[in-house]
Formats: sequence, C-alpha cells, structure tokens
Amino acid sequence: DAKTTQPPSMDCAEGRAANLPCNHSTISGNEYVYWYRQIHSQGPQYIIHGLKNNETNEMASLIITEDRKSSTLILPHATLRDTAVYYCIVRVGSGGSNYKLTFGKGTLLTVNP
Amino acid sequence: DTGVSQDPRHKITKRGQNVTFRCDPISEHNRLYWYRQTLGQGPEFLTYFQNEAQLEKSRLLSDRFSAERPKGSFSTLEIQRTEQGDSAMYLCASSQPRRASGGARSYEQYFGPGTRLTVT
Repeated sequence: DAKTTQPPSMDCAEGRAANLPCNHSTISGNEYVYWYRQIHSQGPQYIIHGLKNNETNEMASLIITEDRKSSTLILPHATLRDTAVYYCIVRVGSGGSNYKLTFGKGTLLTVNP
Repeated sequence: DTGVSQDPRHKITKRGQNVTFRCDPISEHNRLYWYRQTLGQGPEFLTYFQNEAQLEKSRLLSDRFSAERPKGSFSTLEIQRTEQGDSAMYLCASSQPRRASGGARSYEQYFGPGTRLTVT
C-alpha cells in the first residue's frame, strides 16, 4: 500500500472548517484513500473514503486532486468533539487483499473554543 | 458505539502470566481484524480472519500470541508468558464488503473500544 504524509498537528477554531491535508504521491490506480479518526482512548472511527471523485457524507467531505497525489479531508463546522488524531490511509480496494489498514502517525487536530 | 465490543477494557498482569482478550464483532460481519497500538503510534495490524479461517498473520505476532475465531463469530487473542513490551492497546475491528456508490465494493472497518494491557 502507498505511503501517506500528514502534518503532525493542526489547530482549528470551533465552528470553522477544518481542512486536513494528506500527500500520497505514490498511489496506484486501484488504491483508495480512506480517512479514519481516533478520539483519545477510543478505537479508530471510519470517516470517509474515495477513489478519484470528491465524496461527501454526514461527517465530512473528501477532495482528491485530479492527479490523485494528494487529498484534503474537510470538516465543515468543527466542534470540540472533533478533536482527535486523523489518519489518512491508502489501500487497495479489491483484488484478494485482506484489506488491512496501515496507519501512520496521523494528524492531531485540536479544535479550540 | 460501533457495535464491536471488547472484553476486558483494561487488564493489568505480571510479567510471565498468560492473558486472553475477547472481541465480539458486528454480527453480520465476516471479516475480523486484530491490531495493536502503542503510545504515540497508529495501530499496527496483527492478524485477520475471514469467517473462522485465519488468513494472515503479521510478523509482529510472535509464537507467544495466538488468535482464534471459532464458528466465525467472536474471536479471542491470547498472549502467553507476557513481557513488558506487550503493554499496548489491543484493538479489534470487523468489516463486511458492501456495494458502495458507483458499484465498487466498500470495506470500511468498524473498531471496538480496545483492551488496554499493562504488564508489570
């Protein structure tokens, strides 16, 4: 699976949009971009994933660049409960893999009041 | 609450003792994963089951570690002769392939709250 690069930490004001970047310059054509987050002392939580089109769900939006070498997770109106470590993971979507997740160190997002 | 439960949530044991953790996945999920997480690091893959078959084990899983998933339902992870280096959070996740938008299959994993092991 391709390696990802994320900033170690970011701050965001409550109510503002949080934009978390991720670089995955070695991504292959059959690899998806997944985002998970981990609130302190809890298990990771799935947020969103995409292949090449932008995606949106009730939690967040995922913007993937046209060359797929980077992506941005957007939390449109961050709340204090969004303070967590956010992991960007690139993984094969199909084809016999066990679909295990390879986590990096992620980005610690701190939402400030 | 994701629907994945783990027991116990915390375990303190002395070096050399054996410990066993249990994971109950979401009932219709056929895939089950174990991960380990140490302080300041992201979770690391340990092993994976599809139904009752253990299909992959990480090199992190030494001979002292064994995992089972009888009948393809709950799973147990046992650590024999624990060492201080085994102190970590042990996470379980489950998944079930589903058709997502555009016809592609989606494989998101749902994690339990973890079992925190402290070896003294």
